[in-house]
Amino acid sequence: QKEVEQDPGPLSVPEGAIVSLNCTYSNSAFQYFMWYRQYSRKGPELLMYTYSSGNKEDGRFTAQVDKSSKYISLFIRDSQPSDSATYLCAPVMFSGGYNKLIFGAGTRLAVHP
Amino acid sequence: DVKVTQSSRYLVKRTGEKVFLECVQDMDHENMFWYRQDPGLGLRLIYFSYDVKMKEKGDIPEGYSVSREKKERFSLILESASTNQTSMYLCASSPRRDRGYEQYFGPGTRLTVT
Repeated sequence: QKEVEQDPGPLSVPEGAIVSLNCTYSNSAFQYFMWYRQYSRKGPELLMYTYSSGNKEDGRFTAQVDKSSKYISLFIRDSQPSDSATYLCAPVMFSGGYNKLIFGAGTRLAVHP
Repeated sequence: DVKVTQSSRYLVKRTGEKVFLECVQDMDHENMFWYRQDPGLGLRLIYFSYDVKMKEKGDIPEGYSVSREKKERFSLILESASTNQTSMYLCASSPRRDRGYEQYFGPGTRLTVT
């Protein structure tokens, strides 16, 4: 079993829809939870992150962590075609004095006009 | 804005060749990382460095080595390229050891080994 599971998609939605992207993880030691966005043929870019459980909002994006069920979510409101990308979740483990990101395989999102 | 640059976007090499991938960051970040990204597998950590001349093995270091002679530059070396090293290689940097989770990525180098 992978440490971080993420549905690869593709997820296709109409413009303006609310999008829910999800990950599950198995290691209860994770403390930070990162979300990266990766456009085609580009490197990942840091979108936002949360520490421990709860919600964090940044514009149209909301990150949510439920540590009791080991479930991570990213919500996108009023989705735009420019949101079409692959979204990577990456819980963080503190191991051997270092922060280590454990990446999911990514969910591909397509927002069509 | 953090800028991480990688020496090549696309690279084609032959089996057995020695390959150098270069990464430079311009934000005085302490930490630098090399990952490879393969479909269905996500990003996997090859090596990282928390200081000049310092290196630590990641999850898949076999067949690779690294060099960090200057703070801003981190090189990945494939000693003898093999076809199973065909992949997208991503370099990242982060500000400090206690913010090692806040990683900023370069555009990637797509390496094909024939």
